[in-house]
Amino acid sequence: ELKVEQNPLFLSMQEGKNYTIYCNYSTTSDRLYWYRQDPGKSLESLFVLLSNGAVKQEGRLMASLDTKARLSTLHITAAVHDLSATYFCAVDIDATNKLIFGTGTLLAVQP
Amino acid sequence: GAGVSQSPRYKVAKRGQDVALRCDPISGHVSLFWYQQALGQGPEFLTYFQNEAQLDKSGLPSDRFFAERPEGSVSTLKIQRTQQEDSAVYLCASSLVGVSNQPQHFGDGTRLSIL
Repeated sequence: ELKVEQNPLFLSMQEGKNYTIYCNYSTTSDRLYWYRQDPGKSLESLFVLLSNGAVKQEGRLMASLDTKARLSTLHITAAVHDLSATYFCAVDIDATNKLIFGTGTLLAVQP
Repeated sequence: GAGVSQSPRYKVAKRGQDVALRCDPISGHVSLFWYQQALGQGPEFLTYFQNEAQLDKSGLPSDRFFAERPEGSVSTLKIQRTQQEDSAVYLCASSLVGVSNQPQHFGDGTRLSIL
């Protein structure tokens, strides 16, 4: 059974600091997605990572994928309060189009 | 442009009642997905359509759950004889088919509460 685990589950950080969220998955996949969810809202797509070594950056967020280690990271640079949300990674197994989501990381950026 | 639209946004039903949740995908999106999100959890896959064909329903938790997309556009998720454990947010997503670098686009969800 595929498992997708995120670490940490909860992250409280100060504005201006850097941190990394980790996403581990238990079976082969070369399609990984990062989503953001604000309270009571839907999921907003952040990144699509489709190959080993893929790295994408948007503003203060940078995501990478290591398919050999079955690991993706979401790095936050110089956090700001607006980044407070829950972040999910999701894995598409063998291009089945069925996404398996991680447990989510609740990020709280304190002023 | 218009995104994925779901209705109703909130639904309260008594245990044992039937409910129907509607999803209107992004125009031109061939693939449509339903997910169930429990409080504090990540979404869990329920079922997947490509046009009107239901290609995967492995995530439907019981035979009380039924989904259809008869004309390959709007989809309805029906839950019969609702139970308290059915309380969750039901998310619909759509995507282009055959375009691997496109994510699934999610609607705002229907929050279902079973009393």
